[in-house]
This record gives sequence, C-alpha cells and structure tokens, in this order.
Amino acid sequence: DADVTQTPRNRITKTGKRIMLECSQTKGHDRMYWYRQDPGLGLRLIYYSFDVKDINKGEISDGYSVSRQAQAKFSLSLESAIPNQTALYFCATSDLRNTEAFFGQGTRLTVV
Amino acid sequence: AQTVTQSQPEMSVQEAETVTLSCTYDTSESDYYLFWYKQPPSRQMILVIRQEAYKQQNATENRFSVNFQKAAKSFSLKISDSQLGDAAMYFCAYRVYSGGGADGLTFGKGTHLIIQP
Repeated sequence: DADVTQTPRNRITKTGKRIMLECSQTKGHDRMYWYRQDPGLGLRLIYYSFDVKDINKGEISDGYSVSRQAQAKFSLSLESAIPNQTALYFCATSDLRNTEAFFGQGTRLTVV
Repeated sequence: AQTVTQSQPEMSVQEAETVTLSCTYDTSESDYYLFWYKQPPSRQMILVIRQEAYKQQNATENRFSVNFQKAAKSFSLKISDSQLGDAAMYFCAYRVYSGGGADGLTFGKGTHLIIQP
C-alpha cells in the first residue's frame, strides 16, 4: 500500500459544485501539504499544516479550504468549483528531520 | 519570496549519453534544501536527489549528480548514461530550513526530458 493515499484518483465535476479531495498517510509525519499542478507552471502550494491545530495558507489558497481531521488525514475542499480549478492536485507529507516531501499519486480534477 | 527558474522547457538526448538540466533559484536564506523530482507519465512525483545548502560536496545518486554553486544560486542536474526510463518531466525544488516558520516546496516549471533510442 502507498504511504500517501489520495482519493479519488480522477474526478469530473460541474461548475458550482462542492468537492472534497482526501489524503491519508501512514508515514507518521506531522506536516502535510496540498499542491496544484498546471501544465507549464510546475507545482504550487495551496495549504500546509504542521499539525491538527496549525493550518497555513500557501501561494494560491483563494477558492480552497482544508481540514486536518487527524495527524494522518488532510482534506482539500473546493466550495464552489470553477473551470480554472481544473488541474492535477497532489498531497504530500514530510517532517523537518527528513527534509524531503513524499507525494501521493495525485488527483486529476476536471471542472466542466 | 523564493523563486526557482528552469530555463529549458524541453531537452533531448541520445540514449547512453549525458545530459545536464539547469536550475537557478533566488533566496535570501542561508539554510535551505534543494531537490530534483522526476515525474514520469504515471504522474507520480519521485525524488531523484537532494542537496543541503550547508554541504559543499555535491550530491550523487548512482547516475545522477548535481553541480551546486551556492554563490551563483545554481543547482544543475547531470544524468549520465541516459536510459529510456529517464524520460520524464524533471522539477527543481527549493525548501527553506524551517523550525516553525513558513514551509513547503517552491518548484520550477519543469523540464521535459526526451530520450532518443
């Protein structure tokens, strides 16, 4: 089983709908992240969390919200999806000691 | 804010040859980490190599090595003996050393590496 698991892997939704992307990890890391990847733009940070009580905005948080339900779970919500939120979304984990980030398999979201 | 620049949107190399991917970054921090990630068509993000800024010695992982020039803020990736499985998008990324401050990776826009058989 993957250390960082994202669900769903692919999703098509309609404009205006609320959608939640979920992430769970078994690595025991405190820090969790959500990134968005667009063609030609690389990955950009949406939100990150140091623990269940510490959530921080990243570079592109507008239009998104997050919830850290437990150390192992970090979900990303789009309250009212719009077409320019069509992208590949990645969850990642790390801890300060390891330095590197471990990524989930990604969720391809299409908003029509 | 930190920025990471990859000036080569696409590179092509013959199988078994050597290729170098370029990356420059801008930061006012002195303690940080640099990474190269590989993203094959499966879209999985795979760590290739990492470099701690306080280390002068360049990191090496088998056929992959970096040329880290801290003063020039340059971090290039050299792939020796290129293989077909090396074909992928390669992302350069920066992470500041952070106890409790800002965190997260800053990525470049990526270089698409093509391996010619």
